[in-house]
Amino acid sequence: KAGVTQTPRYLIKTRGQQVTLSCSPISGHRSVSWYQQTPGQGLQFLFEYFSETQRNKGNFPGRFSGRQFSNSRSEMNVSTLELGDSALYLCASRLEAVKFFGPGTRLTVL
Amino acid sequence: EDQVTQSPEALRLQEGESSSLNCSYTVSGLRGLFWYRQDPGKGPEFLFTLYSAGEEKEKERLKATLTKKESFLHITAPKPEDSATYLCAVQPTAGGTSYGKLTFGQGTILTVHP
Repeated sequence: KAGVTQTPRYLIKTRGQQVTLSCSPISGHRSVSWYQQTPGQGLQFLFEYFSETQRNKGNFPGRFSGRQFSNSRSEMNVSTLELGDSALYLCASRLEAVKFFGPGTRLTVL
Repeated sequence: EDQVTQSPEALRLQEGESSSLNCSYTVSGLRGLFWYRQDPGKGPEFLFTLYSAGEEKEKERLKATLTKKESFLHITAPKPEDSATYLCAVQPTAGGTSYGKLTFGQGTILTVHP
């Protein structure tokens, strides 16, 4: 069974731009969540979607948003990028209690 | 607020030298405690889930245990390929603002020298 896939794997953007990241969960998994990973803060929860509905959101500004489609694929968007948004963005799909992570998208903001 | 603290931050072992990693946690109600392994430039790889105090799980050279306040990841006779960052995370009981949220520790960077 294929794992969680994320595209693109690497992105370079400049301050003020916006970016959209994509995630395809493991087949049959209906829950998708997003995490930000930085050296200083570690892994931090952004939000989780289940059946196209946002079920929970972490402590991030409104510039961070997401959505889930009927096929369970998910996208997250970051608007008005700041230097501090440079991070590895990880998507995870969940089966019952266990989350399986994708390889991540490395975002660099210049 | 849920908190997870891992120690040590970094651990260097010789091949074959057994040791343990610690994960201390505070959570309002524990649904599950998770261990992941992360290699550089990759996403975390699921290792174990523990649900109740006294539970133990094993996989090859790794064994995870759980008490009401902490979890240990025991590594027996490690090999260089066990070198990675090991992450611990807790998920509180379902409902409210905690739904689906994993709170992670900062991780332990394990290096095993041949």
